Amino acid sequence: GESVGLHLPTLSVQEGDNSIINCAYSNSASDYFIWYKQESGKGPQFIIDIRSNMDKRQGQRVTVLLNKTVKHLSLQIAATQPGDSAVYFCAENPPGTYKYIFGTGTRLKVLA
Amino acid sequence: SAVISQKPSRDICQRGTSLTIQCQVDSQVTMMFWYRQQPGQSLTLIATANQGSEATYESGFVIDKFPISRPNLTFSTLTVSNMSPEDSSIYLCSALLSDRALNEKLFFGSGTQLSVL
Repeated sequence: GESVGLHLPTLSVQEGDNSIINCAYSNSASDYFIWYKQESGKGPQFIIDIRSNMDKRQGQRVTVLLNKTVKHLSLQIAATQPGDSAVYFCAENPPGTYKYIFGTGTRLKVLA
Repeated sequence: SAVISQKPSRDICQRGTSLTIQCQVDSQVTMMFWYRQQPGQSLTLIATANQGSEATYESGFVIDKFPISRPNLTFSTLTVSNMSPEDSSIYLCSALLSDRALNEKLFFGSGTQLSVL
C-alpha cells in the first residue's frame, strides 16, 4: 500500500501536457541538487542533477531549472505520461558535507 | 550504476521488539547513509554509516535506538530497537556512487516498510 505522499501537495496534469514541479531549497550555499522520483513501495530514483554553476540542465523529457537568487529549483516533465505518476523530491547538498537535505515532496498525478 | 539491495522489503512487528535491516551494495562505496521516511513525509537522515568506526548520528537520533553496523565497504545494517508504533516508517539505505565522470551521486535502496503494532 502507498504510505508515501498521503499528505504531500499534489499536482494533477493531463496526460500529454507538460508538468512543472517546484522546490524551494534552504541553504544558499548549496552547490549541488538532485531530483528524485519515488513510486509507491520503492526507494527514490535519481532523475537528474544540476550544479550551482548552471541554471538549466536537460535530460530525456526532463529539464531542471535553478534560480539561485530566490533559492528555487524546478523540474519540468515534457509530455507527461501515466508512468510519471509518483512523488517527486528535490535534494540539496550543502558545500563541505556529504549530506543531502530533502524537500517536502510533490505528488504528481497524471490524468488519462 | 551499482545496485543497492535492502531487506526485508517490509515487516510487521510487535512493540518492544527489534528489527535489523540489511543493505548490500554491489560495489565498494565510501559513504553509506540511513534515512527514515515517515508516512506522508519527506526523507530525514538518521545517520552516516562509517566503515570501521561508529556511525555519525543526526540530531534526534541515538545509537541506543538505531544501532548501525558497517563491517566493510559494501554492507551495512540498521537496527530499530524497542519498537513502538511511532517507529512505523519506511527506512531507506543509500550510498554515494560514482558515475562515469566520477561524479558522486546519492542512490537509494528499495526501502523497508516497517509497521509496528
